Amino acid sequence: GDSVTQTEGLVTVTEGLPVKLNCTYQTTYLTIAFFWYVQYLNEAPQVLLRSSTDNKRTEHQGFHATLHKSSSSFHLQKSSAQLSDSALYYCALSSRQVVGQLTFGSGTRLQVYA
Amino acid sequence: EAGVTQSPRYAVLQEGQAVSFWCDPISGHDTLYWYQQPRDQGPQLLVYFRDEAVIDNSQLPSDRFSAVRPKGTNSTLKIQSAKQGDTATYLCASSSTGRTQYFGPGTRLLVL
Repeated sequence: GDSVTQTEGLVTVTEGLPVKLNCTYQTTYLTIAFFWYVQYLNEAPQVLLRSSTDNKRTEHQGFHATLHKSSSSFHLQKSSAQLSDSALYYCALSSRQVVGQLTFGSGTRLQVYA
Repeated sequence: EAGVTQSPRYAVLQEGQAVSFWCDPISGHDTLYWYQQPRDQGPQLLVYFRDEAVIDNSQLPSDRFSAVRPKGTNSTLKIQSAKQGDTATYLCASSSTGRTQYFGPGTRLLVL
């Protein structure tokens, strides 16, 4: 089956500094797509980034991620964190095993301080 | 375009009581998912439908949980005889086949 690992439960950063959230995965199937979802307090998860192309950088709202199949990773980065970025971030993959079915990581809480 | 809607937003029960959650997906989305999200964990798939058909319900915790989507649009998730371990947020999501899933606001369930 599929699994997604997010090693940090909490990441703290000062506003204006760069931030990186780690995501690695394991799958025995041909994987279709990878996602980063962001969940603000008391709200539903919403898609932040999507990628299915190896070694291609994907960007949205100042965040970027590059799928690296060689290292089974899809890390999320931002060059300058903002206070409004404080939220829960989930990495997820969708495998060809069951088209459209998402497997989520355990999530990383990003806290940005002034 | 309206997003995924869910009701109720909150539910508080005593153990042994039953509860139903309702979901209205985005218009035109043929696939509907129900997830359970325990506190401080990622969403975990319970069941999903394509139109009115159940595609996978193998992750439903037990026969206390059931889900239907009779006309291929709205869906209901029901818990019979709730337990404290069922305390979680229940999320509904919808998509077109194989496309990005969009989530509703969720129902936060507390079982006392």
